[in-house]
Amino acid sequence: AQKITQTQPGMFVQEKEAVTLDCTYDTSDQSYGLFWYKQPSSGEMIFLIYQGSYDEQNATEGRYSLNFQKARKSANLVISASQLGDSAMYFCAMTDFAEGQNFVFGPGTRLSVLP
Amino acid sequence: DGGITQSPKYLFRKEGQNVTLSCEQNLNHDAMYWYRQDPGQGLRLIYYSQIVNDFQKGDIAEGYSVSREKKESFPLTVTSAQKNPTAFYLCASTAGGAEHYGYTFGSGTRLTVV
Repeated sequence: AQKITQTQPGMFVQEKEAVTLDCTYDTSDQSYGLFWYKQPSSGEMIFLIYQGSYDEQNATEGRYSLNFQKARKSANLVISASQLGDSAMYFCAMTDFAEGQNFVFGPGTRLSVLP
Repeated sequence: DGGITQSPKYLFRKEGQNVTLSCEQNLNHDAMYWYRQDPGQGLRLIYYSQIVNDFQKGDIAEGYSVSREKKESFPLTVTSAQKNPTAFYLCASTAGGAEHYGYTFGSGTRLTVV
């Protein structure tokens, strides 16, 4: 069974600084996908970034990058130049090919960006 | 624009009543999902359907029922057997290859038992 751990219930960061949100995962499968989603207070889930288990390079999407360390089973999200609008819940999720397309989500990290 | 529409946005239910949450997508996605989110927690899978007229239980299916009569629609019924239904419910869909592309989510329905 897959499991996602996010050990930071809440994080604070000063505007314009970078922040890293931690995510570790557990799976016995060799092929899997890792995702980060942002959930603002309005409730919708916004896709941020994807990392495939066989991707050799870390994924990047604008100000978001994923620090993927396969041997450690970690997939930390790095947000550079934080903005006030980044304040939200952030969820790490994964799915593997053996399980079909069902995702497992972590408990989330609440990020607060301070002016 | 294509997307997923969940309605209503807010729903109030008296104890002992069944209530149905709507989820409609115009993305031509094959697979659809229902998740439950409790305050400060992650998402837990209730039911999913990968094809019309077929659906599977997720981790917390007890007290819920679904149908998938049309590709576009995947309604969720919260029955009176669900003892603690107050939560935020999210519907999602994917075309396949979700392991690469992830889900598309609706904007959610907040259900409160009064």
